[in-house]
Amino acid sequence: QVQLVQSGAEVKKPGSSVKVSCKPSGGSFRSYVISWVRQAPGQGLEWMGGINVVFGTTNYARELLGRVTISADESTSTANMELRSLLPNDTAVYYCAAGRRRDRYSGSPLALWGQGTPVTVSS
Amino acid sequence: EIVLTQSPGTLSLSPGERATLSCRASQSINSNFLAWYQQKPGQAPRLLISGTSSRATGVPDRFSGSGSGTDFTLTISRLEPEDFAVYYCQQDGYSPPWTFGQGTKVEVK
Repeated sequence: QVQLVQSGAEVKKPGSSVKVSCKPSGGSFRSYVISWVRQAPGQGLEWMGGINVVFGTTNYARELLGRVTISADESTSTANMELRSLLPNDTAVYYCAAGRRRDRYSGSPLALWGQGTPVTVSS
Repeated sequence: EIVLTQSPGTLSLSPGERATLSCRASQSINSNFLAWYQQKPGQAPRLLISGTSSRATGVPDRFSGSGSGTDFTLTISRLEPEDFAVYYCQQDGYSPPWTFGQGTKVEVK
């Protein structure tokens, strides 16, 4: 059973960048679509973006376009999410999640979730 | 962008009761692309239902999903103590962004 393991908690200054990684244990994620989802304290789930690993195609939430980059490195089986120009309201738990690829263009139900990475943005 | 609106925001019920949660989309969704998740405090979300009505592995059969077009429903036939949580719907089809609804909290009455 593939599990997703994320990098550790981060504390950042406003205006800086953060990069969170996600690595499957027990298998490859080549057959997956990976999404990044964040959750601010006391709030709901916000889909940030996703990548179809084998095709390399990405989609992003409109409000994060230009600030977020999602990538996947098949050689290291690692997915990454970089968020730039951080604001205090980017403080949240960031999750990677994955589901089996159906085709080139659709998303996927997210059957696998990482443990979450808390990111705090504060001066 | 497809907007998903969940109702009610909070559902106050007792164990053993039936819970009916609604997810309404701003435009029609192919039923293959509507999923439901459960989230408990301090935990990552868990996939319950995909493709409107297919239960994920290990999900009890008291959970069922239905709907089509713009209206979808998650039903919990008899609430167990472990079912009190927040539930989210998400569309994951050919129209990214793959947005979530704002969630419905099922709490103990």
